[in-house]
Amino acid sequence: DTGVSQDPRHKITKRGQNVTFRCDPISEHNRLYWYRQTLGQGPEFLTYFQNEAQLEKSRLLSDRFSAERPKGSFSTLEIQRTEQGDSAMYLCASSLSVNHEQYFGPGTRLTVT
Amino acid sequence: EDQVTQSPEALRLQEGESSSLNCSYTVSGLRGLFWYRQDPGKGPEFLFTLYSAGEEKEKERLKATLTKKESFLHITAPKPEDSATYLCAVQAWGFSGGYNKLIFGAGTRLAVHP
Repeated sequence: DTGVSQDPRHKITKRGQNVTFRCDPISEHNRLYWYRQTLGQGPEFLTYFQNEAQLEKSRLLSDRFSAERPKGSFSTLEIQRTEQGDSAMYLCASSLSVNHEQYFGPGTRLTVT
Repeated sequence: EDQVTQSPEALRLQEGESSSLNCSYTVSGLRGLFWYRQDPGKGPEFLFTLYSAGEEKEKERLKATLTKKESFLHITAPKPEDSATYLCAVQAWGFSGGYNKLIFGAGTRLAVHP
């Protein structure tokens, strides 16, 4: 399978713990995006990388959130001191360029208890 | 502010009963409008991209059209396997410059019954 992959698929954590998610984009895609989706809503943009550079962050991305894309390949999204409001599906997408569609991974479902 | 609104929120159809889903948008300069399909517990699956008013795209029983203010996803003779949430998104200008993000509507949940 050569699509976008995400790990883990599900994560249950207690409030206050830190969690880290990984995304592996389609191999030739240099753009990588993170979105968050809550029940009954469409995905909301969080942040975006072109190669290893993080070029934009949404106001939704508080100081507890940090994302990296070392070497311009896979990306990680870390949430520190999780809160119940962080419970959501975290989606990763990649695209070949700004002129191409974004392809999404299966998502990581986070539940904060 | 860039915004996408989809209607109806939910739609129930009998197998073979054609219908249309609506996506209206307000955006400062449309770069592209995208339709995705999302099954429960999965990531969105790309369907179509539309760039200019009057453009149409087709795939099996689905046809997407675009005007200056809205897009329609027409479903012809749907089957139960077409049941899913259909999401509409516009490509929006980012604060750092460039069309770097998608703004999604809340989606239309489609249920097709045999």
